[in-house]
Formats: sequence, C-alpha cells, structure tokens
Amino acid sequence: AQSVTQLGSHVSVSEGALVLLRCNYSSSVPPYLFWYVQYPNQGLQLLLKYTTGATLVKGINGFEAEFKKSETSFHLTKPSAHMSDAAEYFCAVSDLRAGGTSYGKLTFGQGTILTVHP
Amino acid sequence: EAQVTQNPRYLITVTGKKLTVTCSQNMNHEYMSWYRQDPGLGLRQIYYSMNVEVTDKGDVPEGYKVSRKEKRNFPLILESPSPNQTSLYFCASSLTPAGNQPQHFGDGTRLSIL
Repeated sequence: AQSVTQLGSHVSVSEGALVLLRCNYSSSVPPYLFWYVQYPNQGLQLLLKYTTGATLVKGINGFEAEFKKSETSFHLTKPSAHMSDAAEYFCAVSDLRAGGTSYGKLTFGQGTILTVHP
Repeated sequence: EAQVTQNPRYLITVTGKKLTVTCSQNMNHEYMSWYRQDPGLGLRQIYYSMNVEVTDKGDVPEGYKVSRKEKRNFPLILESPSPNQTSLYFCASSLTPAGNQPQHFGDGTRLSIL
C-alpha cells in the first residue's frame, strides 16, 4: 500500500524566509504526487502536482516541488514566505489498484501547519 | 462557478439519530469520494464512486453508507451515528477516476456526535 510521511507537524518561519515542507512517500511504481493547501474553514486547494515529465513542478502562489525518485521525496518550497501562506499543507499520492494502475483515491500525509511570523 | 457543495457545514447531533450529508458537484465529474479529517491523521477515504451506481469502500467505511443515483450527487449517510464519527468531512470530485486527475474539494462538514 502507498504511504506518505510529512516530516514536522508544525513549521514556523519569518516573513521573507525560505519555506521548506518535507514529504516522503512509498510506492512500488512511479507515483502521481500532489500538494494541497487548506486555509482555515475551507476545503483543500491544489497547489501543484507531479504526474510525468519534468521533475521540478511549479504551482500557484510561488510554490514549487521537486520529485526525487532516488530519495522518494517530493518536498515543497517557496523562496520567500508571505503572511498569507499561513495554512495547513498536505502531501498526497494516488493509490494503486491491483495490477498497478493509479486511480483517484488519495493517500494523504498527516499535514504540516505553516506559521509565518512578521 | 465550478464547485463542490456540501451541506450542512456544521451539525451537532446525538448518538443514533440518522443523518445525511449531501454533496453536489456541477462539473460533470465521474469520480467522487468522501474523506474524513482527524488531527494528526490527515485525510482518510471513506467511500468512493467511479460513476453512477458504482461505489466502493475506502479505508474507513464502517458506520457509513453512500449512494450515487445521479452523476452530480453523492450523499454520505450515517444510519446510527456514534461519537467516534465526530470529525471533519470532505467530499471531493475529479473529472475521471484516473490517478493523475486533481481532485476538487468541498468546504467541509464538521459533525459533532454527542
């Protein structure tokens, strides 16, 4: 079965500092990977996704993530944090059916709450 | 506006009183699913539907029922709610069941079972 581990349930940065949220996954085949963001009292919004092709993926709001197969990682970064980035972030991987094809079920990490200080 | 709509957004009820959380999407999506979110556990899938009349269990289906009679609607039914079903629930949909499709989430339903 797929699994996702997010290192650090809480991350705190200063405004303007680098944001780094860590995600490691386990998968027996090349995965489809996603980062979602959840603002208070809202649903999850897609930040970015990796399916195939370029391993450095750019998303909305200045975020990007790099798929590293050798490290089974998909860390999320942003060069300069903004107050509006404060939210909870989830890494997720598409699950696999018997036979190895991906389908719509997502396996989520535990989430990382990002706090941005002035 | 493309959206997934859940109702109610908040509900406090008592053990054993049947309840239904509705979910509707206006994007003609084939795939729909329900997740519950609990602190420290992320989101876990309850049930999913590949298309009309096609539903299947996710990781935590016990105590829940679903139906998919129309493409746009996917209600979640708690026949006899218990306190361990107190949680934040999300409905999601995607264009197809393929794993590379991003999912669109509703704003959530916070259920408290006393």
